[in-house]
Amino acid sequence: GQQVMQIPQYQHVQEGEDFTTYCNSSTTLSNIQWYKQRPGGHPVFLIQLVKSGEVKKQKRLTFQFGEAKKNSSLHITATQTTDVGTYFCAGPPRNTGFQKLVFGTGTRLLVSP
Amino acid sequence: EAGVAQSPRYKIIEKRQSVAFWCNPISGHATLYWYQQILGQGPKLLIQFQNNGVVDDSQLPKDRFSAERLKGVDSTLKIQPAKLEDSAVYLCASTTGGLNTEAFFGQGTRLTVV
Repeated sequence: GQQVMQIPQYQHVQEGEDFTTYCNSSTTLSNIQWYKQRPGGHPVFLIQLVKSGEVKKQKRLTFQFGEAKKNSSLHITATQTTDVGTYFCAGPPRNTGFQKLVFGTGTRLLVSP
Repeated sequence: EAGVAQSPRYKIIEKRQSVAFWCNPISGHATLYWYQQILGQGPKLLIQFQNNGVVDDSQLPKDRFSAERLKGVDSTLKIQPAKLEDSAVYLCASTTGGLNTEAFFGQGTRLTVV
């Protein structure tokens, strides 16, 4: 079945440093979504990318969808303590005909002040 | 707009007992998901409903897990009998349906099997 891997598994940065997490799917995706889960919380939707090579920005966050629609990345510029949490990518395999959301393994971000 | 409601928030049971979780999705959302999230891992899709029909249950351990979504609204997930490895947070999520739609998650039910 479809597998979605993320690296790194964990990263600890100082406030103000940049952070990047990478997402790789074993199958081509129809779209990619990113979620953030705070400690003890539930996943919260951040953004969705649909087109091959698409890049979207949300303030300090930059999201990219690969040309082959099998990988994606999330980059945070100048991290803040509020960025702490686990970041998940999720996406349905292409041609499933419905939004089967398979989540990645996640990257846990810790930010020290 | 009310969010996805789940109950109970916490449940502790002994192994071999049965347990049920309830989910009420956002009004009008056609698609409902149940996920199992073991500590330190990503959510694992157990079952997906489109209205009251199952569209994917390939990862549901059908010998002990069952789920239903009567009338295409509320859903229940049952485990019978529970095993120690079922200890996890069970998350319910819903979307409006179709492709390219974001999922809204409930707070989850934390299950501990002792």
